[in-house]
Amino acid sequence: ETGVTQTPRHLVMGMTNKKSLKCEQHLGHNAMYWYKQSAKKPLELMFVYSLEERVENNSVPSRFSPECPNSSHLFLHLHTLQPEDSALYLCASSQDSKGTGELFFGEGSRLTVL
Amino acid sequence: GQNIDQPTEMTATEGAIVQINCTYQTSGFNGLFWYQQHAGEAPTFLSYNVLDGLEEKGRFSSFLSRSKGYSYLLLKELQMKDSASYLCAVRPAGYQKVTFGTGTKLQVIP
Repeated sequence: ETGVTQTPRHLVMGMTNKKSLKCEQHLGHNAMYWYKQSAKKPLELMFVYSLEERVENNSVPSRFSPECPNSSHLFLHLHTLQPEDSALYLCASSQDSKGTGELFFGEGSRLTVL
Repeated sequence: GQNIDQPTEMTATEGAIVQINCTYQTSGFNGLFWYQQHAGEAPTFLSYNVLDGLEEKGRFSSFLSRSKGYSYLLLKELQMKDSASYLCAVRPAGYQKVTFGTGTKLQVIP
């Protein structure tokens, strides 16, 4: 298994759908992150979890709902999204959430909202 | 607030040297990262600088000047596979929240 695995890799959904993105890390890290990557914009931090506790919520709309059931798994639940939410959603992990180590990223989930 | 600037695009020739600059303004500073991201792939870690000076790692080197709020990534002996986006990211003082620049898309041509 590679370090950080995301599923699905591609997702197309309507504005009224409910879907979830999944991330799994096999590195024994304590912190997990969701980032949003849009064209010609910087990576935007959405959520940070440290030891399954949410430590950062970067003013993200409530239509994005994260869940971290254990230190190896992270979900992003999606509900009534808007077309402008179409982007690449990247999951990452680090040894701890203080940012002292580098981030290990998954391949991303490419989301298209119709 | 945090502000990170890097050029949007660069083109360089195979075998040459290219320098990608990054300037930053952050509330405090606790280190600067460079990541490489090939199209359709995950960003991968290249380097981390927290003290002034040059860090060399094979064909890649990264430089930091904290007083100037400036860093560069130097790529030597360019190869076609080096065509990618290069992301500069800064960790400010205090809690984590690493902030990324928009990235520099490097195209290596024969």
